Amino acid sequence: AQSVAQPEDQVNVAEGNPLTVKCTYSVSGNPYLFWYVQYPNRGLQFLLKYITGDNLVKGSYGFEAEFNKSQTSFHLKKPSALVSDSALYFCAVRVLGGSYIPTFGRGTSLIVHP
Amino acid sequence: KAGVTQTPRYLIKTRGQQVTLSCSPISGHRSVSWYQQTPGQGLQFLFEYFSETQRNKGNFPGRFSGRQFSNSRSEMNVSTLELGDSALYLCASSPTDGDEQFFGPGTRLTVL
Repeated sequence: AQSVAQPEDQVNVAEGNPLTVKCTYSVSGNPYLFWYVQYPNRGLQFLLKYITGDNLVKGSYGFEAEFNKSQTSFHLKKPSALVSDSALYFCAVRVLGGSYIPTFGRGTSLIVHP
Repeated sequence: KAGVTQTPRYLIKTRGQQVTLSCSPISGHRSVSWYQQTPGQGLQFLFEYFSETQRNKGNFPGRFSGRQFSNSRSEMNVSTLELGDSALYLCASSPTDGDEQFFGPGTRLTVL
């Protein structure tokens, strides 16, 4: 069975500092990996995805993520955090072919302090 | 393009009742998925429809069902509501298999 782990329920960072939100996964086959962000009382918004190619993926709002196959990780990063980045972040994995069910992590609350 | 829309946005029901939630995907998107979001369980996959066929189903009881119409609009139904069904129900659409999903704002269901 596939799974996604976001080991930190909450990440606190000061505005202007770099941020990292961690994600590890377990799948059989080649993963498609996604990051989504959820602002209060709203649905999830797509940030970025990894399907194949370069391990460093750039996405919306200055976010990027690095796919590490050996460590089965897909950590979300941003060089300089903004207060407006404060939200709930979800990592997700999909494996195409066969029985496919998307699996989401439990979410990490990012709090950026002014 | 208009985004994914879900109706109603808020719903209050009592135990034992049934409820139907509606989702209109982005124009041209053929895949529609439903999720249940709760603080304790996170985001749980309910089912996915593609061209009116249920392609995958998550680990939920048979009280949860859905369907997709020829215009890709989708409905999900929950019968015999239980207190534990209180949650935010999210609908997401995508143009093809493997693509990122576009989520609606959700329907907040409260079961009393």
